[in-house]
Parts: sequence; structure tokens; C-alpha cells
Amino acid sequence: EAEVAQSPRYKITEKSQAVAFWCDPISGHATLYWYRQILGQGPELLVQFQDESVVDDSQLPKDRFSAERLKGVDSTLKIQPAELGDSAMYLCASSLQGEYYEQYFGPGTRLTVT
Amino acid sequence: GQQVMQIPQYQHVQEGEDFTTYCNSSTTLSNIQWYKQRPGGHPVFLIQLVKSGEVKKQKRLTFQFGEAKKNSSLHITATQTTDVGTYFCAGPDFNKFYFGSGTKLNVKP
Repeated sequence: EAEVAQSPRYKITEKSQAVAFWCDPISGHATLYWYRQILGQGPELLVQFQDESVVDDSQLPKDRFSAERLKGVDSTLKIQPAELGDSAMYLCASSLQGEYYEQYFGPGTRLTVT
Repeated sequence: GQQVMQIPQYQHVQEGEDFTTYCNSSTTLSNIQWYKQRPGGHPVFLIQLVKSGEVKKQKRLTFQFGEAKKNSSLHITATQTTDVGTYFCAGPDFNKFYFGSGTKLNVKP
């Protein structure tokens, strides 16, 4: 069964350093989401792509976060510089085409900023 | 912006008891989705409801979408230890997906 791939699974970094997360969605899925999940809370949408275009990034802290999906396939989320408050699980999800389709989540990247 | 609230935050039940979680949105939703996240895992899609007043069943799970499409519920009959996890509702508002805060279910054997 096709799965969403994410790497790395775990990342420990010092504050002020740069970190990058990678996501490879299920083949053929046009919509890609990046979420941040703090322990005990629901996923919070950071950015949504439709193919290579950003549909929504209103919750993305743009002074330090950036996301791209250059060829409309895999995607990278970057944080520079990382802050202590960025420690969380970063989840990538993909769906066939927008809001009426189920989202398939990857295993996530657990980020710890020290 | 839209808010999606879920109650209760936690629920501890004895195996065999029923469980219900409620989801309320501040705006009308085009559809609502339910996900389950096992401890240490990632959210897994359970179901989508689209129509006003829609009711869907999956074995012991019953999902309902309110008439005004602003609330939803998930009911589990005769819980089992395999039902342990956090249940999230999620809905879109102008292309942006909002997840509820989740209801964490613990089932004692």
C-alpha cells in the first residue's frame, strides 16, 4: 500500500540552527499539507499546496519558516533559525485533490530544539 | 477564523462501555472528516460526512453530521482496548483544514 514518506524521523538541533524536513506524498496526490502538532493538541495547518502552488500559508511563521514543492511532487519545510518553541511533531499529509478527499499522513518528524 | 472544538478532552471507560465525542465548528462546514491517532502514531482517516444530517456506521462506530453542518459526533458501542487513541474531527474553511483538539480515549480491560 502506498504511503507518505517523511525524513528524518527525529531531529535534535540547537536554537538558532537551520533544520529541514522532507516529504514525499503518495504518487498522484495533488494536494500536500504540512502540519505542526504539539503534544496533546490537534494538528495545526502550516501550509497547503495544490500541485506546486501554495493554497494557504496563513499560519506559517514566514520570518523563519519556508516551504516549497518545486515540481509539484515532494516538498521541503525549512526552519531558520530554530527556536525552543518550535519543538513539536511536523506531519506531512497528502490527498488526491483538495478538501473532499481523505488525507494520508506520514509518520512525522519529531523536532527537539535545545 | 474558524474554530473547531471537541469535548470531552479525555474519556476513561471500562471495556464494554460506550463512548461519544462531540465536535463543534464556529462556521458551517462543507464536509467533516474523522481521524484516529494511536499513541505514538500519526492520524489515520476514519470517515467523511458531507450531507446535512448524514449518519454513517462502521461496525461499532457511528458518525453523525448535524443538520446545520456545524457539529458532528462519533459514538463507539461496546469499546474494546483496540479503540484506545485520540479521535480528531477536521473540517475545511476556504481551503484551509482545521483540526479539533481531539478526545483522548483510554479503555481499561
